[in-house]
Amino acid sequence: KAGVTQTPRYLIKTRGQQVTLSCSPISGHRSVSWYQQTPGQGLQFLFEYFSETQRNKGNFPGRFSGRQFSNSRSEMNVSTLELGDSALYLCASSLGQGTTQYFGPGTRLLVL
Amino acid sequence: GENVEQHPSTLSVQEGDSAVIKCTYSDSASNYFPWYKQELGKGPQLIIDIRSNVGEKKDQRIAVTLNKTAKHFSLHITETQPEDSAVYFCAASIGQNYGQNFVFGPGTRLSVLP
Repeated sequence: KAGVTQTPRYLIKTRGQQVTLSCSPISGHRSVSWYQQTPGQGLQFLFEYFSETQRNKGNFPGRFSGRQFSNSRSEMNVSTLELGDSALYLCASSLGQGTTQYFGPGTRLLVL
Repeated sequence: GENVEQHPSTLSVQEGDSAVIKCTYSDSASNYFPWYKQELGKGPQLIIDIRSNVGEKKDQRIAVTLNKTAKHFSLHITETQPEDSAVYFCAASIGQNYGQNFVFGPGTRLSVLP
């Protein structure tokens, strides 16, 4: 069974631009969660989608948004990029509530 | 909200020795506690997990113990090998009626010296 895939793996953007990251979950998984990982703040929860609906949201500004498609693939978007948005963005999929999350390799975003 | 503390932040052990990483959580409603290993340039990989109705779980050289009363859980790695060197994260589920939401500890960088 293929694992969680994320594209692109690396991105370089400049301040003020926007970016869209993509995540394809493990086949059969309907829950997709997004995390931001930085050296200073560690792993922080962004949001979770299940069956195209956002079920949970972390404490991030509205510039961070996401969506999930009918095939469970998910995208997250960051608008008006700031230098502090430079991070590794991780996607994790699972079958649903209380089940194991499996992480993808992440997308490393650098904002200049 | 839920807070997860993790100690130590760095740990160096000799190959063959044991390593122990400890985490505490604050939300008594948390009921699922996974441990992840993250190697350089990769996403976290689940190595073991435990649910609140179990006190201990073991998988070969790796074991996890949970004390719900004290709200702490620990990862034990025996007979450490150089390939165990990585950053380890504990996590606790946030007690909610639905959803998949976790709070992670800050991580422990484990170095196994040959």
